[in-house]
Amino acid sequence: NAGVTQTPKFQVLKTGQSMTLQCAQDMNHNSMYWYRQDPGMGLRLIYYSASEGTTDKGEVPNGYNVSRLNKREFSLRLESAAPSQTSVYFCASSEPAGGYPYNEQFFGPGTRLTVL
Amino acid sequence: GENVEQHPSTLSVQEGDSAVIKCTYSDSASNYFPWYKQELGKRPQLIIDIRSNVGEKKDQRIAVTLNKTAKHFSLHITETQPEDSAVYFCAASRGSQGNLIFGKGTKLSVKP
Repeated sequence: NAGVTQTPKFQVLKTGQSMTLQCAQDMNHNSMYWYRQDPGMGLRLIYYSASEGTTDKGEVPNGYNVSRLNKREFSLRLESAAPSQTSVYFCASSEPAGGYPYNEQFFGPGTRLTVL
Repeated sequence: GENVEQHPSTLSVQEGDSAVIKCTYSDSASNYFPWYKQELGKRPQLIIDIRSNVGEKKDQRIAVTLNKTAKHFSLHITETQPEDSAVYFCAASRGSQGNLIFGKGTKLSVKP
């Protein structure tokens, strides 16, 4: 099992360009998440999808859109990139278990994005 | 809004010593508290978690304690080793759909 995979690993954009970050998981998880990680700021939730067909905003959704393409895939789109979106982006997935809605989140390897 | 505060932001210990990282949370409805370890350039990985119906949990050299009344929880690492050097994040659950709020992280350095 590959777990959670992300593409690309690195990306450099110019201000105003658009791009889509791809995420896929092979663990049959219902929940998927997109985070950004900035130095000294921890992990901040951008968007999440509790199940196929649903998406909701997290703490810092402005400037981003998401698509839950199917149960496996969850993409993050930057329509008009800004330097403030320079960050490392992590996708994660989890599955409720044992009657608990919360369980371990498995992270992808991350995408390092620089916006010039 | 809900938040999680984590202290200290950096921690340096000698190999073999213990390390303690503390977190406080604001949402009294939080009931799941995981700890993640992130090595340089790698992804965060769960090392231990605790649910609100338990006060303490231990796994070999690591343990987590939870005080729901005071809304704080702590990570304890005993007999530290150089390979424990990493950034550690605490988190608390939020809402009903599996979301987590993360602390800002503690950079632990273990000196040989």
